[in-house]
Amino acid sequence: QVQLQESGPGLVKPSQTLSLTCTVSGGSISSGDYYWSWIRQHPGKGLEWIGYIYYSGSTYYNPSLKSRVTISVDTSKNQFSLKLSSVTAADTAVYYCARAVRQDRRIGIWGQGTTVTVSS
Amino acid sequence: DIQMTQSPSSLSASVGDRVTITCRASQGISNYLAWFQQKPGKAPKSLIYAASSLQSGVPSKFSGSGSGTDFTLTISSLQPEDLATYYCQQYNSYPITFGQGTRLEIK
Repeated sequence: QVQLQESGPGLVKPSQTLSLTCTVSGGSISSGDYYWSWIRQHPGKGLEWIGYIYYSGSTYYNPSLKSRVTISVDTSKNQFSLKLSSVTAADTAVYYCARAVRQDRRIGIWGQGTTVTVSS
Repeated sequence: DIQMTQSPSSLSASVGDRVTITCRASQGISNYLAWFQQKPGKAPKSLIYAASSLQSGVPSKFSGSGSGTDFTLTISSLQPEDLATYYCQQYNSYPITFGQGTRLEIK
């Protein structure tokens, strides 16, 4: 059974870069059947899609964050990562990684989420 | 961007009730519509995809319908464990967008 687990610093200073990693277990990130995704949820708010990456490295980003976001994949470690630059307090959120079916982009499996606070 | 609007934003229902949540897209999305359940303090869980297909392992008391711009999620025979916030999501086009959520409370 495929599981996803987010990891990374829980506290980031304003103007710095937020870096998170999602480790995939129970399946290969190199499977051509899936996109690997990041989604975030601001405190007490709804869900915001950040972007997808395919194992080949192809990416799709939310235009609202595109200038600050980089999603990358490391197939040797079965991981994919999120970098969000120039963070502000508005980037404080729970960050989820998720797996989406490539055929139609539907999300099926979520990680448990990790809380990132932006504060000095 | 496609805007997803859910109604109601919150509702309270009794055990055994049948509950319906509505989701409207700002433009047609065919059937590229998913529903997620998020219990307090937990990650979202996939319930339904393609507007009406039940995710594996999800009980049949959850059902979805609709196409184009108007969709519904129905929960039959409400139970205490159904306390959660429910989100719709369109994946017809980028950027992927979610509804604002419907908070379901049990009376």
